[in-house]
Amino acid sequence: DIQMTQSPSSLSASVGDKITITCRASQSISTYLNWYQQKRGKAPKVLIYAASSLQSGVPSRFSGSGSGTDFTLTISGLQPEDFASYFCEQSYSTPLTFGGGTKVEIK
Amino acid sequence: QITLKESGPALVKPTQTLALTCTFSGFSLTTSGVGVGWIRQPPGKALEWLALIYWDDDKRYSPSLKNRLTITKDTSKNQVFLTMTNMDPVDTATYYCAHRRGYSSSGHYYYYMDVWGKGTTVTVSS
Repeated sequence: DIQMTQSPSSLSASVGDKITITCRASQSISTYLNWYQQKRGKAPKVLIYAASSLQSGVPSRFSGSGSGTDFTLTISGLQPEDFASYFCEQSYSTPLTFGGGTKVEIK
Repeated sequence: QITLKESGPALVKPTQTLALTCTFSGFSLTTSGVGVGWIRQPPGKALEWLALIYWDDDKRYSPSLKNRLTITKDTSKNQVFLTMTNMDPVDTATYYCAHRRGYSSSGHYYYYMDVWGKGTTVTVSS
């Protein structure tokens, strides 16, 4: 199985900040990496697919980069509605695996 | 517009079998490239992928749960089913189904879960 290690597990930030979340795969997954946002009590929502493609309707302050084993999700100009948990997912091979999540909290 | 909705019992006893249904609209599971997945999330924990079924009836399972899971579909009713046998309290979680979309770019074919159901909470307790 491909292990996905996400960091940090939590972070505190202020509105307007730029934040970066990283995800590392235990083996190369090319760009088969997706990012999801999950708000408390809600289902996940895809933000980024194929490492850097922005899902339709997602604000442009979200961006993704990386290939191989190292990936990042960046939020440029944190908004109040962005305080949530974020998960990465590798879709390179089954079993599909998710990162442990990053909880973004208000400072 | 694609929508999915999970249904099933809220409470099951240990050793019982869980039967979940995902009822969807806005797409057909006979369309090439389309899939439906099941994912669960224990309270306060990360997402865990369980199973996938594709338009061509290709089925994939989590190796750690494979002996307990069965995924099937009824394309005429726009439903996907998941059964999990021998339920245990550690299986207490919110269970989601999701539409799996394929996307072709630069010779690669990518998949991601683009629409999720709201989830159904299952508690395993005697």
